[in-house]
Amino acid sequence: AQSVSQHNHHVILSEAASLELGCNYSYGGTVNLFWYVQYPGQHLQLLLKYFSGDPLVKGIKGFEAEFIKSKFSFNLRKPSVQWSDTAEYFCAVKSTNTGKLIFGQGTTLQVKP
Amino acid sequence: DVKVTQSSRYLVKRTGEKVFLECVQDMDHENMFWYRQDPGLGLRLIYFSYDVKMKEKGDIPEGYSVSREKKERFSLILESASTNQTSMYLCASSSRGADPGQPQHFGDGTRLSIL
Repeated sequence: AQSVSQHNHHVILSEAASLELGCNYSYGGTVNLFWYVQYPGQHLQLLLKYFSGDPLVKGIKGFEAEFIKSKFSFNLRKPSVQWSDTAEYFCAVKSTNTGKLIFGQGTTLQVKP
Repeated sequence: DVKVTQSSRYLVKRTGEKVFLECVQDMDHENMFWYRQDPGLGLRLIYFSYDVKMKEKGDIPEGYSVSREKKERFSLILESASTNQTSMYLCASSSRGADPGQPQHFGDGTRLSIL
């Protein structure tokens, strides 16, 4: 069965620290990959996505992610976090066969000012 | 901008009640989805629909049903609510367009408590 695993459940950083959130998936076919963010009290929003081409994708608010096919990974990065990045982050994989999104467990990021 | 509207932000019901959660989208999207969000489990797909009157079971359909009589509206029904259905429920929609990377657009969620 397809699955998505996010390595870190709760991350605490100080402002200006660098961020990397891990995401691995298990699926052998063609996939589309997404990172969503949920700020406190708000709905899930798309941060960035990958479906073909350059494996390094850039999203909103200075986030980027790298798709490494050989490692089945799609890690999210940001060089310098801000207090406003405090949120829950979800990695998701969409099978091109079924079209369904499979979400990881989520990572709560807390940035201390 | 896509708007997905869920009828209630908070809802409290009793065990055994029949509960309706409503979701409306304004972008003429073909696909609509219902998820539940629980701490440590992420989002899990309950049901989805690719078109009017069509529905497909997701990963955790037990205890739920859905209705899609109109393209813009997708309803989730808890036939006989139980305490283990206390959760945050999220509705989403997406276009069936040619772009394979079509994202889903989410509503604000309904926090449902079953007493």
